[in-house]
Amino acid sequence: TQLLEQSPQFLSIQEGENLTVYCNSSSVFSSLQWYRQEPGEGPVLLVTVVTGGEVKKLKRLTFQFGDARKDSSLHITAAQPGDTGLYLCAGAIQTSYGKLTFGQGTILTVHP
Amino acid sequence: GAVVSQHPSWVICKSGTSVKIECRSLDFQATTMFWYRQFPKQSLMLMATSNEGSKATYEQGVEKDKFLINHASLTLSTLTVTSAHPEDSSFYICSVPGVGNYEQYFGPGTRLTVT
Repeated sequence: TQLLEQSPQFLSIQEGENLTVYCNSSSVFSSLQWYRQEPGEGPVLLVTVVTGGEVKKLKRLTFQFGDARKDSSLHITAAQPGDTGLYLCAGAIQTSYGKLTFGQGTILTVHP
Repeated sequence: GAVVSQHPSWVICKSGTSVKIECRSLDFQATTMFWYRQFPKQSLMLMATSNEGSKATYEQGVEKDKFLINHASLTLSTLTVTSAHPEDSSFYICSVPGVGNYEQYFGPGTRLTVT
């Protein structure tokens, strides 16, 4: 069974601060996705990383996939209240028939 | 990515009744769909994999007779919660897998409240 340990579970910061969310596993993933979910809605895909060491940027968000494809991080620069939400990492392996292993989630609150 | 809809967006039912939730892939033919359950401020818990034209595959601990899944076409999967009880109250979300890198595209979810 593949596990993804996501941390921190809760993050409460002021507008303008930077933050990093981590996902770690002992398993190797074929790809890793990051999703953002707002209350009462379904998760929305932010990014997919597939290559070890890959870095992707989406405006103020930077995503990194570990060299060994066992871990990933999400860094947000100058957080804004609109970034508030539940962030989920999810990993896929080739033999999982499309199933994803989800991290526990990080609830981010950015105060104005 | 795929556009996924769910109906209803929320439903309230009485204990002992059954409720059907629909998941539609609007622009993508999906031989596989996934059903998740989510409790407040928690991550998603996979319940089952819905397979078009065949039986669903349930995760360990999920009662297949209670959560009936039907995937009758390439664009529609349904989840029926039978003989619902208050502990079945939750947020139910479906997803459609994308092509290639294993990402999934999620529906907007259905809030079920059993009174």
